[in-house]
Amino acid sequence: QVQLVQSGAEVKKPGASVKVSCKVSGYTLSELSMHWVRQAPGEGLEWMGGFDLEENKKVYAQKFQGRVTMTEDTSTDTAYMELSGLRSDDAAVYYCAIPAPPADFTYYFDYWGQGTLVTVSS
Amino acid sequence: QSALTQPASVSGSPGQSITISCTGTSSDVGGYNYVSWYQQHPGKAPQLIIYDVNNRPSGVSNRFSGSKSGNTASLTISGLQAEDEADYYCSSYTTNRTPLYVFGTGTKVTVL
Repeated sequence: QVQLVQSGAEVKKPGASVKVSCKVSGYTLSELSMHWVRQAPGEGLEWMGGFDLEENKKVYAQKFQGRVTMTEDTSTDTAYMELSGLRSDDAAVYYCAIPAPPADFTYYFDYWGQGTLVTVSS
Repeated sequence: QSALTQPASVSGSPGQSITISCTGTSSDVGGYNYVSWYQQHPGKAPQLIIYDVNNRPSGVSNRFSGSKSGNTASLTISGLQAEDEADYYCSSYTTNRTPLYVFGTGTKVTVL
Protein backbone atom coordinates (compact mmCIF):
# COMPACT_ATOMS: atom_id res chain seq x y z
CA GLN A 1 0.00 0.00 0.00
CA VAL A 2 1.36 3.40 -1.00
CA GLN A 3 1.18 6.38 1.34
CA LEU A 4 1.97 9.97 0.48
CA VAL A 5 2.57 12.35 3.39
CA GLN A 6 3.01 16.03 2.63
CA SER A 7 4.67 18.83 4.54
CA GLY A 8 2.70 21.31 6.63
CA ALA A 9 0.96 24.55 5.77
CA GLU A 10 3.03 27.50 4.58
CA VAL A 11 2.50 31.27 4.67
CA LYS A 12 4.52 33.22 2.12
CA LYS A 13 4.78 36.81 0.95
CA PRO A 14 4.11 37.78 -2.65
CA GLY A 15 7.21 37.22 -4.77
CA ALA A 16 8.61 34.54 -2.48
CA SER A 17 9.04 30.84 -3.25
CA VAL A 18 7.49 27.83 -1.56
CA LYS A 19 8.76 24.25 -1.54
CA VAL A 20 6.28 21.50 -0.68
CA SER A 21 7.44 17.98 0.06
CA CYS A 22 5.72 14.61 -0.44
CA LYS A 23 7.20 11.64 1.45
CA VAL A 24 6.47 8.25 -0.08
CA SER A 25 6.14 5.00 1.83
CA GLY A 26 5.25 1.53 0.66
CA TYR A 27 7.25 1.91 -2.55
CA THR A 28 10.43 3.63 -3.59
CA LEU A 29 10.09 6.96 -5.35
CA SER A 30 11.90 5.60 -8.41
CA GLU A 31 9.01 3.14 -8.96
CA LEU A 32 6.45 5.91 -9.06
CA SER A 33 5.22 8.53 -11.53
CA MET A 34 4.75 11.64 -9.37
CA HIS A 35 2.37 14.46 -10.24
CA TRP A 36 1.30 17.69 -8.57
CA VAL A 37 -2.23 19.10 -8.58
CA ARG A 38 -3.47 22.26 -6.91
CA GLN A 39 -6.85 23.56 -5.79
CA ALA A 40 -7.52 27.22 -5.07
CA PRO A 41 -10.09 27.97 -2.34
CA GLY A 42 -13.55 27.08 -3.58
CA GLU A 43 -12.19 26.18 -6.99
CA GLY A 44 -11.51 23.05 -9.00
CA LEU A 45 -8.47 20.85 -9.46
CA GLU A 46 -5.60 21.94 -11.69
CA TRP A 47 -2.78 19.71 -12.92
CA MET A 48 0.58 21.44 -12.53
CA GLY A 49 3.02 18.88 -13.80
CA GLY A 50 4.37 15.38 -13.48
CA PHE A 51 6.17 12.51 -15.10
CA ASP A 52 5.17 11.81 -18.69
CA LEU A 53 5.55 8.06 -19.18
CA GLU A 54 5.38 8.31 -22.97
CA GLU A 55 8.14 10.89 -23.23
CA ASN A 56 9.96 9.52 -20.15
CA LYS A 57 10.46 12.96 -18.65
CA LYS A 58 8.87 15.52 -16.38
CA VAL A 59 6.37 17.84 -18.01
CA TYR A 60 5.02 21.08 -16.59
CA ALA A 61 1.75 22.74 -17.49
CA GLN A 62 2.50 25.69 -19.73
CA LYS A 63 0.85 28.00 -17.21
CA PHE A 64 3.57 27.21 -14.64
CA GLN A 65 6.61 26.82 -16.88
CA GLY A 66 9.45 28.98 -15.65
CA ARG A 67 8.02 29.16 -12.13
CA VAL A 68 7.68 25.53 -11.05
CA THR A 69 10.35 22.93 -10.40
CA MET A 70 9.61 19.33 -9.44
CA THR A 71 12.45 17.30 -7.98
CA GLU A 72 13.00 14.00 -6.23
CA ASP A 73 15.35 12.80 -3.49
CA THR A 74 15.51 9.05 -3.98
CA SER A 75 17.65 8.64 -0.86
CA THR A 76 14.68 9.67 1.29
CA ASP A 77 11.86 8.79 -1.16
CA THR A 78 10.67 12.38 -1.02
CA ALA A 79 9.37 14.45 -3.93
CA TYR A 80 9.38 18.24 -3.95
CA MET A 81 7.44 20.92 -5.77
CA GLU A 82 8.85 24.43 -5.69
CA LEU A 83 6.85 27.37 -7.00
CA SER A 84 8.54 30.75 -7.29
CA GLY A 85 7.31 34.29 -7.82
CA LEU A 86 4.24 33.65 -5.68
CA ARG A 87 1.15 35.75 -6.37
CA SER A 88 -2.09 36.00 -4.45
CA ASP A 89 -3.76 33.66 -6.93
CA ASP A 90 -1.23 30.94 -6.10
CA ALA A 91 -2.93 30.54 -2.72
CA ALA A 92 -4.21 26.99 -2.83
CA VAL A 93 -3.99 23.47 -1.47
CA TYR A 94 -1.23 21.62 -3.27
CA TYR A 95 -1.48 17.84 -3.67
CA CYS A 96 0.99 15.22 -4.79
CA ALA A 97 -0.70 12.34 -6.61
CA ILE A 98 0.36 9.14 -8.33
CA PRO A 99 -0.99 6.28 -10.39
CA ALA A 100 -0.65 2.96 -8.58
CA PRO A 101 2.58 1.25 -9.55
CA PRO A 102 3.43 -0.06 -12.04
CA ALA A 103 2.24 3.09 -13.79
CA ASP A 104 2.56 1.91 -17.39
CA PHE A 105 -0.57 2.77 -19.34
CA THR A 106 -2.16 4.25 -16.22
CA TYR A 107 -3.74 7.63 -16.80
CA TYR A 108 -5.38 8.42 -13.49
CA PHE A 109 -4.37 9.05 -9.89
CA ASP A 110 -4.97 6.27 -7.38
CA TYR A 111 -3.18 7.84 -4.45
CA TRP A 112 -3.11 11.41 -3.18
CA GLY A 113 -1.25 13.20 -0.42
CA GLN A 114 -3.31 14.91 2.25
CA GLY A 115 -2.64 18.33 0.73
CA THR A 116 -0.56 21.31 1.77
CA LEU A 117 -2.21 24.71 2.21
CA VAL A 118 -0.14 27.58 0.85
CA THR A 119 -1.26 31.07 1.85
CA VAL A 120 0.15 34.08 0.02
CA SER A 121 -0.19 37.28 1.99
CA SER A 122 1.78 40.44 2.56
CA GLN B 1 -6.28 23.97 -22.73
CA SER B 2 -9.53 24.79 -20.95
CA ALA B 3 -11.06 22.85 -18.11
CA LEU B 4 -13.64 20.22 -18.97
CA THR B 5 -17.20 21.47 -18.53
CA GLN B 6 -19.39 20.04 -15.77
CA PRO B 7 -22.67 21.28 -14.32
CA ALA B 8 -22.06 23.30 -11.17
CA SER B 9 -24.58 21.34 -9.15
CA VAL B 10 -26.81 18.29 -9.31
CA SER B 11 -29.23 17.15 -6.64
CA GLY B 12 -31.40 14.15 -5.96
CA SER B 13 -33.36 12.40 -3.25
CA PRO B 14 -32.09 9.30 -1.48
CA GLY B 15 -32.52 6.24 -3.66
CA GLN B 16 -32.71 8.20 -6.89
CA SER B 17 -30.17 8.14 -9.72
CA ILE B 18 -28.30 11.19 -10.94
CA THR B 19 -25.95 11.75 -13.86
CA ILE B 20 -23.10 14.25 -14.11
CA SER B 21 -21.82 15.21 -17.54
CA CYS B 22 -18.26 16.14 -18.46
CA THR B 23 -17.75 17.79 -21.83
CA GLY B 24 -14.39 18.24 -23.47
CA THR B 25 -12.96 18.10 -26.97
CA SER B 26 -11.46 15.64 -29.39
CA SER B 27 -8.09 16.47 -27.82
CA ASP B 28 -9.06 15.05 -24.46
CA VAL B 29 -12.33 13.26 -23.63
CA GLY B 30 -13.08 12.38 -27.24
CA GLY B 31 -9.52 11.40 -28.08
CA TYR B 32 -8.85 8.72 -25.48
CA ASN B 33 -10.65 6.31 -23.20
CA TYR B 34 -8.68 7.78 -20.32
CA VAL B 35 -11.45 9.57 -18.46
CA SER B 36 -11.44 9.28 -14.69
CA TRP B 37 -13.72 10.56 -11.95
CA TYR B 38 -12.88 11.71 -8.42
CA GLN B 39 -15.04 12.26 -5.36
CA GLN B 40 -13.98 14.94 -2.90
CA HIS B 41 -15.52 15.53 0.50
CA PRO B 42 -14.93 18.91 2.18
CA GLY B 43 -11.40 19.30 3.50
CA LYS B 44 -10.30 15.96 2.07
CA ALA B 45 -8.13 14.87 -0.82
CA PRO B 46 -9.86 13.64 -3.99
CA GLN B 47 -10.57 9.91 -4.20
CA LEU B 48 -10.61 7.95 -7.46
CA ILE B 49 -14.00 6.35 -8.16
CA ILE B 50 -13.90 5.62 -11.91
CA TYR B 51 -10.97 5.13 -14.28
CA ASP B 52 -10.64 4.49 -18.01
CA VAL B 53 -14.22 5.70 -18.59
CA ASN B 54 -16.12 2.88 -16.89
CA ASN B 55 -13.91 0.92 -14.50
CA ARG B 56 -14.24 0.97 -10.72
CA PRO B 57 -11.26 0.60 -8.39
CA SER B 58 -11.49 -2.13 -5.80
CA GLY B 59 -13.62 -1.03 -2.87
CA VAL B 60 -15.69 1.54 -4.77
CA SER B 61 -19.43 0.94 -4.67
CA ASN B 62 -21.05 -0.47 -7.82
CA ARG B 63 -23.58 2.35 -7.49
CA PHE B 64 -21.02 4.45 -9.37
CA SER B 65 -20.75 3.91 -13.12
CA GLY B 66 -19.20 5.77 -16.02
CA SER B 67 -19.73 6.06 -19.75
CA LYS B 68 -18.64 8.15 -22.70
CA SER B 69 -20.09 9.28 -26.01
CA GLY B 70 -18.02 11.43 -28.31
CA ASN B 71 -16.57 14.35 -26.41
CA THR B 72 -18.82 13.90 -23.37
CA ALA B 73 -18.28 11.54 -20.47
CA SER B 74 -20.85 10.84 -17.76
CA LEU B 75 -20.88 9.63 -14.18
CA THR B 76 -24.06 8.02 -12.86
CA ILE B 77 -24.71 7.51 -9.19
CA SER B 78 -27.59 5.12 -8.60
CA GLY B 79 -29.38 4.55 -5.29
CA LEU B 80 -28.22 7.94 -4.06
CA GLN B 81 -27.13 7.94 -0.41
CA ALA B 82 -26.40 10.75 2.04
CA GLU B 83 -22.69 9.85 1.99
CA ASP B 84 -22.59 10.59 -1.76
CA GLU B 85 -22.96 14.30 -1.03
CA ALA B 86 -19.61 15.67 -2.20
CA ASP B 87 -17.86 17.40 -5.08
CA TYR B 88 -17.13 15.33 -8.18
CA TYR B 89 -14.45 16.01 -10.77
CA CYS B 90 -13.81 14.37 -14.11
CA SER B 91 -10.36 14.25 -15.62
CA SER B 92 -8.92 13.27 -18.97
CA TYR B 93 -5.52 12.59 -20.43
CA THR B 94 -4.89 14.99 -23.31
CA THR B 95 -3.18 14.85 -26.66
CA ASN B 96 -1.23 17.92 -25.70
CA ARG B 97 2.08 17.43 -23.96
CA THR B 98 1.12 20.30 -21.68
CA PRO B 99 -1.05 19.96 -19.82
CA LEU B 100 -0.95 16.17 -19.75
CA TYR B 101 -4.15 16.05 -17.76
CA VAL B 102 -7.14 18.34 -17.61
CA PHE B 103 -9.79 18.34 -14.89
CA GLY B 104 -13.44 19.26 -15.00
CA THR B 105 -14.91 22.35 -13.40
CA GLY B 106 -16.45 20.23 -10.66
CA THR B 107 -20.02 19.34 -9.68
CA LYS B 108 -21.51 19.68 -6.22
CA VAL B 109 -23.87 16.78 -5.54
CA THR B 110 -26.55 17.47 -2.95
CA VAL B 111 -28.69 14.74 -1.44
CA LEU B 112 -32.05 16.28 -0.64
